[in-house]
Amino acid sequence: GENVEQHPSTLSVQEGDSAVIKCTYSDSASNYFPWYKQELGKRPQLIIDIRSNVGEKKDQRIAVTLNKTAKHFSLHITETQPEDSAVYFCAASKGGSNYKLTFGKGTLLTVNP
Amino acid sequence: GAGVSQSPSNKVTEKGKDVELRCDPISGHTALYWYRQSLGQGLEFLIYFQGNSAPDKSGLPSDRFSAERTGGSVSTLTIQRTQQEDSAVYLCASSGTGVEQYFGPGTRLTVT
Repeated sequence: GENVEQHPSTLSVQEGDSAVIKCTYSDSASNYFPWYKQELGKRPQLIIDIRSNVGEKKDQRIAVTLNKTAKHFSLHITETQPEDSAVYFCAASKGGSNYKLTFGKGTLLTVNP
Repeated sequence: GAGVSQSPSNKVTEKGKDVELRCDPISGHTALYWYRQSLGQGLEFLIYFQGNSAPDKSGLPSDRFSAERTGGSVSTLTIQRTQQEDSAVYLCASSGTGVEQYFGPGTRLTVT
């Protein structure tokens, strides 16, 4: 089955700096890649997603890039703010009639003021 | 509108007891997923329901776990003869015509 690796497991940055989280996947049939943000004690929230027919997608300070050949995708957060501090999860799905997600282990992002 | 809701928010049970966890998806969402989040394993897929199709049970860790979805809406996840390794947060998610999955707040299960 699908395997998703996520790095780093923890990331500490200064406010205003950029943060990058990287994920690799094993199943070349995967075609949907969402990113979730989870604050302590809260539910995971979808922040951005990308499909395999697109190489990059941007939403304000957040962007995701996808390299299908290398089977990796990355989350980029620019101008980080303390409220960006949370655990971020990447995930992959093969889609079709079943979008069950395989998640990475998560990255704890800390933005220091 | 209302998001995905789950109940109870917390459940403490003794080893060997059965538990039922409930999920109310977003109204009109035909797809419903259960995931488990534990410290050592991250977020793991358990089961998927889509309309009247047969559910995808491929993620259920043992035959002590089962789930049903009545009337295409509410779903119940049942764990029989609970074990300590079942302690985790059980998350439900639903999606509609799009692929985006929206999560509920989860049920934290503690088996003592």
